[in-house]
Amino acid sequence: NAGVTQTPKFQVLKTGQSMTLQCAQDMNHEYMSWYRQDPGMGLRLIHYSVGAGITDQGEVPNGYNVSRSTTEDFPLRLLSAAPSQTSVYFCASSFVPGGKNGYTFGSGTRLTVV
Amino acid sequence: GESVGLHLPTLSVQEGDNSIINCAYSNSASDYFIWYKQESGKGPQFIIDIRSNMDKRQGQRVTVLLNKTVKHLSLQIAATQPGDSAVYFCAEARYGGATNKLIFGTGTLLAVQP
Repeated sequence: NAGVTQTPKFQVLKTGQSMTLQCAQDMNHEYMSWYRQDPGMGLRLIHYSVGAGITDQGEVPNGYNVSRSTTEDFPLRLLSAAPSQTSVYFCASSFVPGGKNGYTFGSGTRLTVV
Repeated sequence: GESVGLHLPTLSVQEGDNSIINCAYSNSASDYFIWYKQESGKGPQFIIDIRSNMDKRQGQRVTVLLNKTVKHLSLQIAATQPGDSAVYFCAEARYGGATNKLIFGTGTLLAVQP
């Protein structure tokens, strides 16, 4: 049981490049979400999913796309990277929406856009 | 707007003392309040949560208090240890319908002095 696995751990992109941050969980959690964490700020919700085939926007969705074709995977796509997207990205999953029993977080992806 | 914030950005305590980390929230409609611990280079780790209809909940060495009158949440850590040094986040959990999301505060750094 690996929990929530994020890849890559580190990434440097040039402005305008695209990439996909991977997130996979093996706990059969229905609810998955993506957060970004910037210095001096808390985690902000980008997108979330309450189950396979269902996604919705969070607080800061612009510049990011997601899809949920399986229960296990929830990739985050940056369509055209911008320096403002330099951040640490965390994927999280939970049995129930809202995480009332606690979210399980991945170890994060540190992204730098130059 | 909606927000979850913390009173103290940094808290320094002596090993063995009790720690109290405070948090203010603005939205009374939250279903749960949750405390997370984040160590350097890692994702947030669930510590304890409390339902909105409760005032107090205890865990192992930790106690969460909820004062809905003044919209205040606190995390008490008994006999603080060096391993407790981390950033602590409070978060509001709102679920149901289109509001399945977790809103984080900005965090408090707990520094335990030997």
